[in-house]
Parts: sequence; structure tokens; C-alpha cells
Amino acid sequence: DIQMTQSPSTLSASIGDRVTITCRASQNINNWLAWYQQKPGKAPELLIYKASSLQSGVPSRFSGSGSGPEFALTISSLRPDDAATYYCQQYESAPHTFGQGTKLEIK
Amino acid sequence: QLQLRESGPGLVKPSETVSLTCTVSGGSISGSDYFWAWIRQPPGKGLEWIGFIRDSGTTSYSPALTGRVAISVDTSKMHYSLRLNSVTAADAAQYYCARHSRYVGYSWGQGTLVTVSS
Repeated sequence: DIQMTQSPSTLSASIGDRVTITCRASQNINNWLAWYQQKPGKAPELLIYKASSLQSGVPSRFSGSGSGPEFALTISSLRPDDAATYYCQQYESAPHTFGQGTKLEIK
Repeated sequence: QLQLRESGPGLVKPSETVSLTCTVSGGSISGSDYFWAWIRQPPGKGLEWIGFIRDSGTTSYSPALTGRVAISVDTSKMHYSLRLNSVTAADAAQYYCARHSRYVGYSWGQGTLVTVSS
């Protein structure tokens, strides 16, 4: 199985801050990486696919980057509505494993 | 617009089998680009990929669940199903169905909660 190591596990930031979450794959995933946002009691929502492609309807303050083993999700200017847990997922090969999640809190 | 809706019993006894169905609307369940998946999330924990099926019937399962899990598809009824046998408390979770496309990632249903208790 491909292991996905996500960091940090929790993050506290202020409105307007630039925030970055990273995800490292244990082997090459050829940019087959997605990022999801999950709010309490809700299903995850796709933000980014193929490492850097923004899902339709997702605000442009979200961006994805990286290649090879290390990837990043960046929120350029944090808003209150961004408080959530964020997950990365590789879909290069089955099982399509997830990172352990990053809980983002607003100060 | 694609919609996925999970259904099934909310409560199952230990050692029994849980069966869940995902009904697809707003799009076709057939098509070589798509994989029809199940993912679960125990209360307060992270996401665990269970497996997927293609409209051809080809499946792939998590090694952690192989032997206890089966996913099937009925394209005529526009639904696919998950069966998980010999359940324990560790199988209690929110279960999500989702459509996967290699080029656009996963699109999720709203989920259904499964509780394991006698």
C-alpha cells in the first residue's frame, strides 16, 4: 500500500493568513493526488484533483502544488468558513489511501 | 448533476452482515471512466478506503478487509452495493459511496451511519 503522511495534524491560524498543509507519499504517485475539505457532520468535498487542478466552484484562494513524493495545499488568505479538517488522498494505485487529516482552527 | 444516496440498516449486530446500497442519479452508472467506491469513517477518526467496482464488475478491495467485503453493481437499477460480513465494533462508522474518475477524483454521497451493537 502507498502510505500518505500528512502534516501538521492540527493548525491554528488567523483570518487573512496564508496556510499550507503538506502530504508526502511513500512512493511515486504521478500527481494522482486529491485534497478534500470536511466539516463536522458533512461528507468530504473535493477541492483539488490531479495535484493542482481546482475543482469547479472551489474558491481560487485554494491551490495545490507539488510533484514526486511531496505535495501541498495552500489557502492564500484564510476565511472563517475555512475551519475544517483537510485530507489528502492518492489514487495512483489501489487501495486509494488517505492522509490522516489536518484540523484547521481559526484563532 | 450527479447524486449518490446511501441506504441500509442503521444498526447491525456483532458477527452479522451489513448490506448497504448506493443509488446513482443524475448520471450514468455505466462508462469505462468511472469507478464506484465505498469509503468509511469511524466516529472522530479519519477516512478509510474500502474498495470499488467498475460497471464491468471488476473490483478492488482494501487488503485490510479482503475476505469480509464484497461490492456488486446492478447497472439496470442504477445502484451498487456493499456487503461486509462478520462485523465487530470496529466496523461502526459513517459509510460513504463515491464515484471516482481518474481525471477528476472522487464525488461523494452524504453518507449513512452504521452502528454495531447487540
